[in-house]
Amino acid sequence: SQKIEQNSEALNIQEGKTATLTCNYTNYSPAYLQWYRQDPGRGPVFLLLIRENEKEKRKERLKVTFDTTLKQSLFHITASQPADSATYLCALSKAAGNKLTFGGGTRVLVKP
Amino acid sequence: DAGITQSPRHKVTETGTPVTLRCHQTENHRYMYWYRQDPGHGLRLIHYSYGVKDTDKGEVSDGYSVSRSKTEDFLLTLESATSSQTSVYFCAISESGAGGQGVDTQYFGPGTRLTVL
Repeated sequence: SQKIEQNSEALNIQEGKTATLTCNYTNYSPAYLQWYRQDPGRGPVFLLLIRENEKEKRKERLKVTFDTTLKQSLFHITASQPADSATYLCALSKAAGNKLTFGGGTRVLVKP
Repeated sequence: DAGITQSPRHKVTETGTPVTLRCHQTENHRYMYWYRQDPGHGLRLIHYSYGVKDTDKGEVSDGYSVSRSKTEDFLLTLESATSSQTSVYFCAISESGAGGQGVDTQYFGPGTRLTVL
């Protein structure tokens, strides 16, 4: 069966360092991969989208890579700040027009 | 929250009672979704709609029904609530989605916390 795995353990990181999160998938060939941020008590918020033919995407201090051979996406937050503390979800879809499937999310805690 | 409201925001009910959750959008997006979010399971799709009166099942649809009589409103009904339906429910919208041409980037509402005793 299709599986999307994100590290369920919280990632504790010092302010100013780079946080790196992983999203691994099996039995799946996604055409698109998205990352969302979720703060406690709120709905997820879209951050970045990367297509299967793109290796890397950047937005301000965020960087996403997509390796279809390894079946993995990495999400980097550079120069992390306490305001980056949140849960980050990856979501995959097989093609345009297909439903999203979400991973369980990884909680990030940036300490001052 | 991208012009999406959910009501009620919190609800406590008893096993066996019917419950209806409402999602209202002001973005005029075609696609609307209902998810539930539970620890250890992440977000799971319950039902979705690709137009007025057009709905389809998601991953965990048993025990739930939906209706969409207007573009802006998507209702989720638990016909007879059970304790296993205690969860946080999120509504989401998108311009493109299942069967469409674009990529399904979704915008989420604030959520409804439902407790079934």
